[in-house]
Amino acid sequence: DADVTQTPRNRITKTGKRIMLECSQTKGHDRMYWYRQDPGLGLRLIYYSFDVKDINKGEISDGYSVSRQAQAKFSLSLESAIPNQTALYFCATSDIAGTGAVGELFFGEGSRLTVL
Amino acid sequence: EDKVVQSPLSLVVHEGDTVTLNCSYEVTNFRSLLWYKQEKKAPTFLFMLTSSGIEKKSGRLSSILDKKELFSILNITATQTGDSAVYLCAVDRYNNNDMRFGAGTRLTVKP
Repeated sequence: DADVTQTPRNRITKTGKRIMLECSQTKGHDRMYWYRQDPGLGLRLIYYSFDVKDINKGEISDGYSVSRQAQAKFSLSLESAIPNQTALYFCATSDIAGTGAVGELFFGEGSRLTVL
Repeated sequence: EDKVVQSPLSLVVHEGDTVTLNCSYEVTNFRSLLWYKQEKKAPTFLFMLTSSGIEKKSGRLSSILDKKELFSILNITATQTGDSAVYLCAVDRYNNNDMRFGAGTRLTVKP
């Protein structure tokens, strides 16, 4: 089984619908991240969390929200999906001492979201 | 604004060829540069480079960092079709929890 698991793997939805992408990990890492990947733009950070009580916005947080339900679970929500949120979404974890850096990221398999 | 630029964006070679992928960066508070391979979905870690001039190797893959000229290269020798993937370069920065990624180089290795 994968150490970082994302559900659903694929989702097609319509504009205006609420969507939740879920991520769970068995690596025991405190740090969890949500990234979005678009062709030609690389991966961009949406939100990150260092523990259950710590949630931080990334570069492109507008239109998204997150919830860290437990150390192992980090979900991403699109309250009202729009077509330009069509992308491949990755959850990732890292385990690095101290603050102010990321270190090696361990990625989930990705969730492909299509908003019509 | 911090940026990471990879070149070429795509590359097609034949099995047995040697390829060099480039990653240049302009960032503040550089900590390390990482290379990932993305075949179908999840990027998988290849190398982390923190010091200039020290080559890291794993089988046919190797990478080196030049902190003076602000770039890294990823070499793949004797390419195989299984090397076909998108190769991502990313820069980790001190005092910043947002790792900056390049757009990736798509490598296609033909039989």
